[in-house]
Amino acid sequence: KNQVEQSPQSLIILEGKNCTLQCNYTVSPFSNLRWYKQDTGRGPVSLTIMTFSENTKSNGRYTATLDADTKQSSLHITASQLSDSASYICVVSAIKAGGGADGLTFGKGTHLIIQP
Amino acid sequence: NAGVTQTPKFQVLKTGQSMTLQCAQDMNHEYMSWYRQDPGMGLRLIHYSVGAGITDQGEVPNGYNVSRSTTEDFPLRLLSAAPSQTSVYFCASSRGRTGELFFGEGSRLTVL
Repeated sequence: KNQVEQSPQSLIILEGKNCTLQCNYTVSPFSNLRWYKQDTGRGPVSLTIMTFSENTKSNGRYTATLDADTKQSSLHITASQLSDSASYICVVSAIKAGGGADGLTFGKGTHLIIQP
Repeated sequence: NAGVTQTPKFQVLKTGQSMTLQCAQDMNHEYMSWYRQDPGMGLRLIHYSVGAGITDQGEVPNGYNVSRSTTEDFPLRLLSAAPSQTSVYFCASSRGRTGELFFGEGSRLTVL
């Protein structure tokens, strides 16, 4: 069964500090991996989308890494700001859909709180 | 750009009532989907569509109906609301099944 596990479940850091969120997956055959940011009361917004051949992708202070061999991804946030407080969701897409699903497997998210 | 628009944003229903959550996108995306988000459960797929006239079930389809008569619209119907359907519902669209998903702002439904 395809699965996406995220850790930690929640994280509290001080403003200005860096942090790294983890995503491990067992989705096969792999198509791409996405990271989404979801502010409280809002819909998820895409941060990055990475294919098999991409190891690193940046979006401002957000940098995602992908190790397709170990099936792990991380999202690194540099110099955190109060506006980074949100849930971060890892989503992995399989090449082929089927079995009552559309091929997307969602993690449960990491809830990040930035304290001043 | 409007993107993905969901209505209503908030709704309170009594058990047994029916209603439709509306979803419209203006990006000419073929793929559209509905999710529900519950605390500790993450986003779960209810129904999805790969194009006008084509729909399929997701992980938690029971109690919900969908139709896709146009590329732009993908309404979600609750036939007979139950308290277990209290949740936040998100509609999303993408250019293809493996493309970047664009989400609406969500519809918060409470069933009493």
